[in-house]
Amino acid sequence: DQQVKQNSPSLSVQEGRISILNCDYTNSMFDYFLWYKKYPAEGPTFLISISSIKDKNEDGRFTVFLNKSAKHLSLHIVPSQPGDSAVYFCAASGRNRDDKIIFGKGTRLHILP
Amino acid sequence: NAGVTQTPKFQVLKTGQSMTLQCAQDMNHEYMSWYRQDPGMGLRLIHYSVGAGITDQGEVPNGYNVSRSTTEDFPLRLLSAAPSQTSVYFCASSSGGQDYGYTFGSGTRLTVV
Repeated sequence: DQQVKQNSPSLSVQEGRISILNCDYTNSMFDYFLWYKKYPAEGPTFLISISSIKDKNEDGRFTVFLNKSAKHLSLHIVPSQPGDSAVYFCAASGRNRDDKIIFGKGTRLHILP
Repeated sequence: NAGVTQTPKFQVLKTGQSMTLQCAQDMNHEYMSWYRQDPGMGLRLIHYSVGAGITDQGEVPNGYNVSRSTTEDFPLRLLSAAPSQTSVYFCASSSGGQDYGYTFGSGTRLTVV
């Protein structure tokens, strides 16, 4: 049973517009959520995270929103740039340091010129 | 500071052969994990470790063994390779601070024929 779901395999957005990537989770014990970005032939790199005690976290062009009641989070990229074209993974973990991090299947974002 | 180093980068194995994927980190991280990435499947956790001498299974542990004799190294062993193990393998490490999740290596692309 998939605990972290990214239901959109791909997304195309015009350069300069907002990109919104969505993620749903099923495990109510998840306490911490992360987004990773992955370019081809490279390992994933950490992008931004949010704790369940918050509903928003912002870092430059990237903002993550968390709706705990809906078990839903989203990553907003504003404005979208060509270098943002990549696969984005949503991930979740429990509140204990020893808890493993579970990833979704990823969403491939294409930024169109 | 090399981060997480994985070797080899590419490997072709015949069915039934054994091999070890190497992973080393120089950040003194307690936590290390192995993930595999398959098309349409995202990143799936194979095994993880919360410290030297301590390992546990992830989502897809069958066919793989691990050990953690030092903080720095976390090798992944395939005892009898199968075509279903054709994948890209990523090793990752973390200090356990949830702010940054895992630092990933650049991956090992394994093909089993």
